[in-house]
Amino acid sequence: QVQLVQSGAEVKKPGASVKVSCKASGYTFTSYYMHWVRQAPGQGLEWMGIINPSGGSTSYAQKFQGRVTMTRDTSTSTVYMELSSLRSEDTAVYYCARGGGPITIFGVVTPYYYYGMDVWGQGTTVTVSS
Amino acid sequence: QSVLTQPPSASGTPGQRVTISCSGSSSNIGSNYVYWYQQLPGTAPKLLIYRNNQRPSGVPDRFSGSKSGTSASLAISGLRSEDEADYYCAAWDDSLSGLWVFGGGTKLTVL
Repeated sequence: QVQLVQSGAEVKKPGASVKVSCKASGYTFTSYYMHWVRQAPGQGLEWMGIINPSGGSTSYAQKFQGRVTMTRDTSTSTVYMELSSLRSEDTAVYYCARGGGPITIFGVVTPYYYYGMDVWGQGTTVTVSS
Repeated sequence: QSVLTQPPSASGTPGQRVTISCSGSSSNIGSNYVYWYQQLPGTAPKLLIYRNNQRPSGVPDRFSGSKSGTSASLAISGLRSEDEADYYCAAWDDSLSGLWVFGGGTKLTVL
């Protein structure tokens, strides 16, 4: 079955960086986009960006441009999300979530907006505190 | 302030039918598919409805989605206690460089 397993909770000081991993299994890793979404305590969901695990191309929400980097390791079917210059407002649960359909259809690459998120990781709590 | 607008709360009694609305604009719901997610307390979101009205396998047909213009709705019929959760709508937004946007979430209480 499709499964996304994320790394454990992190506690960071303001100004530091955090790198969260998401290991995929149960499907062809390079065939599906991967989203990152976060949820601050008691708040709603916020989309951070997306990565194409095949070629590594990314698209980030404007709010996070310059602070977020999404990468992947195809040898381990793992995607990573690194957020730098952390501040207290970055305290949240961070989720990876698979795009809900194949990246290529009949050889044509689908755009980032073509599929919403289907399977989600269990979440990684990141706490930013001095 | 979320781009998509949902009521913060909704409620119903077991067996009842409830609907949750999601209001957007021409750059998101008006021109793209709507997705709905259910989040039980302390867990990750779960896909409930995709592409406006499609149910993934395993989601009961008590859950249904619809869209009209720049608004969408999630309906839950035959309400059960285990439906008590937060519900979020989502859509792609074409504005600026494009991004996925969510509603603020609706807390459903089964009385």
